[in-house]
Amino acid sequence: DTAVSQTPKYLVTQMGNDKSIKCEQNLGHDTMYWYKQDSKKFLKIMFSYNNKELIINETVPNRFSPKSPDKAHLNLHINSLELGDSAVYFCASSPSRADEKLFFGSGTQLSVL
Amino acid sequence: QKEVEQNSGPLSVPEGAIASLNCTYSDRGSQSFFWYRQYSGKSPELIMSIYSNGDKEDGRFTAQLNKASQYVSLLIRDSQPSDSATYLCAVKRGSYIPTFGRGTSLIVHP
Repeated sequence: DTAVSQTPKYLVTQMGNDKSIKCEQNLGHDTMYWYKQDSKKFLKIMFSYNNKELIINETVPNRFSPKSPDKAHLNLHINSLELGDSAVYFCASSPSRADEKLFFGSGTQLSVL
Repeated sequence: QKEVEQNSGPLSVPEGAIASLNCTYSDRGSQSFFWYRQYSGKSPELIMSIYSNGDKEDGRFTAQLNKASQYVSLLIRDSQPSDSATYLCAVKRGSYIPTFGRGTSLIVHP
């Protein structure tokens, strides 16, 4: 069983489109995250969601919005996609915000043309 | 702004040598320190964590922490080609979200 699963694995789309990436974890963790990894491997936090508390990295454009229907899911919705949004997006989870170890999903390679 | 700095590399070492990966951080309140390994096209996986000054050994891996110098390192003994990957340093303060460095690419050549 995959602990943290993301779909789709690859996403190719045109500028201006709206897209979503789904993430689900079956570990029973309370905290989930979205990270963006650029072409130089820099892994940058975008959002953290814990017990309905959302922490947003202030540098993330408001075109990006996380949606959590329940604590096992944290989806990422992106409006009006731009070329600079091309990156690998990783979902991760941890038992709690205080817990150290992050469990990562396999990543979604987003290419905006 | 909290920063974690790593030399992007690549660091190239021969098989069997010791690979030394370094990381510095700016937040003096940092309490937890981690090394993640990321193979090309894969997701990061935690390989070491360290919380107090000194060395922590796990198999061929040794993490070293010096909070006064705000420095954490990872030593890989008897490096193998399968160790070739990007190594990400991550730093955490309390319940804050972990901050990652840009990673160091390690190449172990036969």
